[in-house]
Amino acid sequence: GAVVSQHPSWVICKSGTSVKIECRSLDFQATTMFWYRQFPKQSLMLMATSNEGSKATYEQGVEKDKFLINHASLTLSTLTVTSAHPEDSSFYICRARDRGSTEAFFGQGTRLTVV
Amino acid sequence: QKEVEQDPGPLSVPEGAIVSLNCTYSNSAFQYFMWYRQYSRKGPELLMYTYSSGNKEDGRFTAQVDKSSKYISLFIRDSQPSDSATYLCAMSLYSSASKIIFGSGTRLSIRP
Repeated sequence: GAVVSQHPSWVICKSGTSVKIECRSLDFQATTMFWYRQFPKQSLMLMATSNEGSKATYEQGVEKDKFLINHASLTLSTLTVTSAHPEDSSFYICRARDRGSTEAFFGQGTRLTVV
Repeated sequence: QKEVEQDPGPLSVPEGAIVSLNCTYSNSAFQYFMWYRQYSRKGPELLMYTYSSGNKEDGRFTAQVDKSSKYISLFIRDSQPSDSATYLCAMSLYSSASKIIFGSGTRLSIRP
């Protein structure tokens, strides 16, 4: 099956610093990337949708200047959490849509802890 | 009102029991219905995917969609301890690969 590699799987950072999370589609071209956030014991909440080469579309209530999304190629998308604060601690997961099919696949997730 | 409602549980049943998981939704335009399984600290994996109303069976899993009642179910037969996980229902307007809305997830525990 198709693989989406998300890195890092976990990260701890100091408050005020920025963290970059990468998602790579290993054996397919990802035309669309969805980024989700999941707080403990809660569901996945869509943060933004990005199409390769275009600006991301953010969901209501998600700060685009704080959560920077880049989707410069068909195999790589990044989410940068800028000036992270403890309330940004969460599980971040990407989901990549396969250009050649009607399927989309999740990455393994990144657990971010801001101290 | 949330677009998708799901009882968070936890739900604990003995091994071998039939498990019933359910979701209700408010947007009648949803056409694609999915069930995901998520183990702790992992990304969700797609279990079942159904278009419109009806039943779909895959091994021990059966998905049901009743669009008239805006109600979907997942049944697990002969439940195993390895089925212990959080189960998330999800729905989409256009396809299973487009923007999908998740339920809150039900934590399921199968007791040996």
